[in-house]
Amino acid sequence: EPEVTQTPSHQVTQMGQEVILRCVPISNHLYFYWYRQILGQKVEFLVSFYNNEISEKSEIFDDQFSVERPDGSNFTLKIRSTKLEDSAMYFCASSRWGGAEYEQYFGPGTRLTVT
Amino acid sequence: GIQVEQSPPDLILQEGANSTLRCNFSDSVNNLQWFHQNPWGQLINLFYIPSGTKQNGRLSATTVATERYSLLYISSSQTTDSGVYFCAAPGAGSYQLTFGKGTKLSVIP
Repeated sequence: EPEVTQTPSHQVTQMGQEVILRCVPISNHLYFYWYRQILGQKVEFLVSFYNNEISEKSEIFDDQFSVERPDGSNFTLKIRSTKLEDSAMYFCASSRWGGAEYEQYFGPGTRLTVT
Repeated sequence: GIQVEQSPPDLILQEGANSTLRCNFSDSVNNLQWFHQNPWGQLINLFYIPSGTKQNGRLSATTVATERYSLLYISSSQTTDSGVYFCAAPGAGSYQLTFGKGTKLSVIP
């Protein structure tokens, strides 16, 4: 069964450094998402992406964050200058079509630790 | 936006016991998903169940959309079932899933 993959599984970085989290969505999916989960809290939406554009973003997704689909298979989340409070699990998801009724398939996550 | 409430927040089971986890949502939805977060933090897709009942091995889920709730049943629980179970649904006019706070399940031998 096709699945969403994410790399790395764990990333440790120093405050102020740039990080790029990578995701490979399911191959025929068109909509891509990033979510975040701070330790002990619930999963929160960051951004959705379609046709090389952001379609929806949350208040969390400020100017420090950016997303990109650099080629036909990868989908990335960049944090420009990491802060301690960016430490969290980051989940990538994809769906075949847009719209609330379509299932989103989640990857296993990348644990980001900012020191 | 939509409110998603899960109960109970914590559950401890003896191995082999059955359990029912509940998810209430404040608005009508056309998508409801259940996930299992294992002790390593990985999120595992369990069910996409906007309505009706589905079964996958020892797990099954039922969503009654008209009454705005969904149930996840775990039968003959095993220690590997431990972790946090989340339900999530989209708000009206939005693609983003809103997650509940989860039910933390501990299955003891």
